[in-house]
Amino acid sequence: DADVTQTPRNRITKTGKRIMLECSQTKGHDRMYWYRQDPGLGLRLIYYSFDVKDINKGEISDGYSVSRQAQAKFSLSLESAIPNQTALYFCATSDLQGSADTQYFGPGTRLTVL
Amino acid sequence: QKEVEQNSGPLSVPEGAIASLNCTYSDRGSQSFFWYRQYSGKSPELIMSIYSNGDKEDGRFTAQLNKASQYVSLLIRDSQPSDSATYLCAAVRGSQGNLIFGKGTKLSVKP
Repeated sequence: DADVTQTPRNRITKTGKRIMLECSQTKGHDRMYWYRQDPGLGLRLIYYSFDVKDINKGEISDGYSVSRQAQAKFSLSLESAIPNQTALYFCATSDLQGSADTQYFGPGTRLTVL
Repeated sequence: QKEVEQNSGPLSVPEGAIASLNCTYSDRGSQSFFWYRQYSGKSPELIMSIYSNGDKEDGRFTAQLNKASQYVSLLIRDSQPSDSATYLCAAVRGSQGNLIFGKGTKLSVKP
C-alpha cells in the first residue's frame, strides 16, 4: 500500500461548486502539505500543517481552505471552484529530523474546473 | 527575485553522457537542499539531499553544494533514456522550515 494516498485521483467539476481533496498517510509524519502544480510555474505551496493544531498559509492560499482531522489526514477544500484552479494537486508529508525535512509526495489529484 | 532558480531547459544529452543540472537560491539561511525527479504526470520523487558544502555521491548521481555562491548542482553520470524527466531543486526556507521549489529543468536523454 502507498504511504501517501490522495482521493480522488481525477475530478472534473463546474465553476462555483465546492470540492474537497483528501490526503491520508501511513508514514506517521507530523508535517503535511498541499501544493498545486501548473505548467511553467512549478510547485507552489497552498497550506501546510506541522501538527494537528498548527495550520499555516502558503504562498497561494486564497480560494482554498484546509482541515487537519488527525495526524494522518489533511484535506484541501475549494469553497467555490473557479477555472484558474484547474491544476495538478499534490499532498506531501515530512518528518523533520535535525535540519532535514525530506518531503514525500502522494500520487496527485488532477482537477479540472469548467 | 525568485527564491530558487533553475534553467527550464530542455537539456538534451546523448545516452552515456554526463548531465549537469544547476540551481541557485537566494535565502542565505537555507541549510538543506534536495533534488527531486518528476516524470510527466507523476509525483516528485526524492533523488538526493545535501546539507554540507562539497559533493555527495549516490550511485550515478552526485549533488554539489556551494553555500558561498548559493549554488546547488546535480550531475548524472552515464545518462540513460530512463533519466529523461523534469528535475526539481528545492531549498528549506530558513525561517519557516518548509520547502521552496524551483520550476524544474527538463532533461532529455537521447538514445
